[in-house]
Amino acid sequence: AQTVTQSQPEMSVQEAETVTLSCTYDTSESDYYLFWYKQPPSRQMILVIRQEAYKQQNATENRFSVNFQKAAKSFSLKISDSQLGDAAMYFCAYRSPGGGSARQLTFGSGTQLTVLP
Amino acid sequence: SQTIHQWPATLVQPVGSPLSLECTVEGTSNPNLYWYRQAAGRGLQLLFYSVGIGQISSEVPQNLSASRPQDRQFILSSKKLLLSDSGFYLCAWSVRSNQPQHFGDGTRLSIL
Repeated sequence: AQTVTQSQPEMSVQEAETVTLSCTYDTSESDYYLFWYKQPPSRQMILVIRQEAYKQQNATENRFSVNFQKAAKSFSLKISDSQLGDAAMYFCAYRSPGGGSARQLTFGSGTQLTVLP
Repeated sequence: SQTIHQWPATLVQPVGSPLSLECTVEGTSNPNLYWYRQAAGRGLQLLFYSVGIGQISSEVPQNLSASRPQDRQFILSSKKLLLSDSGFYLCAWSVRSNQPQHFGDGTRLSIL
């Protein structure tokens, strides 16, 4: 079974600065998908960024980028030019390819990000 | 565009009472549907998922059940709620491909 570990329960960053959230995972599969979700105080779950394991290029979405290290099974999220609206709980998630129960997401325990004005 | 609706937003129920949470998806056909529970300060735990009408898979044994009476409708139920059922419940959907899951706004359930 796959596991996802977020070792930073809480992080803080100054507005306009850059912060990196860590995520590691354990899997025996070679092909899979990784995601970062954001959960603001409104409790919605919002997809931030995704990465396919077969792609060597790190995914980027505006101010959000990832550092995907497949050999190290690491998938960190970098937020550049942090904004107050970035304050939220961030979850790293893993999903296997294929059907059946493989469609489910395995979530980490989350990192609470505080953005300081 | 696709949208997901989940209601109610908050619910307070006494122990032993029944439960019905509803989730509907619009703008897509035959989606995969999911129910998650999030305990306070913790990550999400998958409760049920469905790949089609009447097809329900349960991930953890519990006091809850799920049903999918229509293609885009997913219902979470309980005959008798327990205190441990309190939490934040999220419904999600995804297309039948390697696409991410999209979540509803969630239901905060408090059991008294």
